[in-house]
Amino acid sequence: DQQVKQNSPSLSVQEGRISILNCDYTNSMFDYFLWYKKYPAEGPTFLISISSIKDKNEDGRFTVFLNKSAKHLSLHIVPSQPGDSAVYFCAASTSGTYKYIFGTGTRLKVLA
Amino acid sequence: NAGVTQTPKFQVLKTGQSMTLQCAQDMNHEYMSWYRQDPGMGLRLIHYSVGAGITDQGEVPNGYNVSRSTTEDFPLRLLSAAPSQTSVYFCASSYRGSGDEKLFFGSGTQLSVL
Repeated sequence: DQQVKQNSPSLSVQEGRISILNCDYTNSMFDYFLWYKKYPAEGPTFLISISSIKDKNEDGRFTVFLNKSAKHLSLHIVPSQPGDSAVYFCAASTSGTYKYIFGTGTRLKVLA
Repeated sequence: NAGVTQTPKFQVLKTGQSMTLQCAQDMNHEYMSWYRQDPGMGLRLIHYSVGAGITDQGEVPNGYNVSRSTTEDFPLRLLSAAPSQTSVYFCASSYRGSGDEKLFFGSGTQLSVL
């Protein structure tokens, strides 16, 4: 049972445009969400997080939106840059459990 | 500051062999975990620990053992390797915060079981 789902395996975007990566979850107990970026042959690196008490969090070019009623979150990257080309994972956790469940990832390709 | 260090980076095993994947962190993090990454499956949690002497199972624990005798180290043991355990393994750690915790990952171990 996949509790965290990223239904788009890949996404291509032109440089300078917006990239929108989506993530859905099924466990209503999740209250903390993170996004990670992964380059080949490297470990995932943290991008941005959001707690369920918020519906939006921004950090530079990256914004995460959370829709709790739809159990959906999205990562917006504006403007997209070729260096953003990587695999993006969303992850979810219930506070205090320290058990992070990841999605299957979306491969983003930013075209120059 | 080394962060999370995994060794070895690459390993080839024969079916039935045993080995230990090493993971060490120097950030004094209480939480440590092991994930495996497979094509189309994302990152799946194998085992995790919330402190020395405390471990628990994740999503895919079968075939793996862990122990946590120190805060710094969290080794992952394969007692009898199987081809289904061919994967890339990542160790991660986190501090205990106030709702803003994030995982720090090692660079991974690529394991092939023949």
